[in-house]
Amino acid sequence: AIQMTQSPSSVSASVGDRVTITCRASQGIRNDLGWYQQKPGKAPTLLIYSASTLQSGVPSRFSGSGSGTDFTLTINSLQPEDFATYYCLQDHNYPCTFGQGTKLEIK
Amino acid sequence: EVQLVQSGAEVKKPGESLKISCKASGYSFTNYWIAWVRQMPGKGLEWMGIIYPSDSDTRYSPSFQGQVTISADKSISTAYLQWSSLKASDIAVYYCVRHGTAFDIWGQGTLVTVSS
Repeated sequence: AIQMTQSPSSVSASVGDRVTITCRASQGIRNDLGWYQQKPGKAPTLLIYSASTLQSGVPSRFSGSGSGTDFTLTINSLQPEDFATYYCLQDHNYPCTFGQGTKLEIK
Repeated sequence: EVQLVQSGAEVKKPGESLKISCKASGYSFTNYWIAWVRQMPGKGLEWMGIIYPSDSDTRYSPSFQGQVTISADKSISTAYLQWSSLKASDIAVYYCVRHGTAFDIWGQGTLVTVSS
């Protein structure tokens, strides 16, 4: 199975900051990667698919980039509602695999 | 509205069987894969497996192969996740999720508690 290595596992930031989260795949996955946000007690929601396409309704301060093995989620100008846990998920082939998650906390 | 609605929380004893459900509405159930995802208490997300309701083609993650069974009934637009013999380590929230453009529609989750 493809391994997804996500970093950092946690990050502290302030409202207005810019944050970057990375995922590295153990083999090339083209752009078959999505980013998901999960708030406590809630189901995850899709933010970005195909590595860089913003899901409908997601604020433009979220962006994704990368292809092959290295991917990045960037959140510009952090808002209070962005403090959550973020996961990458590859769907290049089965079994699909998640990164370990990044908890974004308020500094 | 496109949505997946899961069955309610369950409390079971070790060794008991269980089948939880995920009912789809607002789209053509047979045209999209449906996956199941586990989240153990305080832990990350784990992809368990996926089914294509049109022909019941099913794929499992090796970690879950033989531990659970994924099925679907296209006549009632419902996917299922079942256990024949629950263990204490099965305590988790289980999500169903549609695979459209990525995993785009999530159920609300079903909490499974296993306790003697």
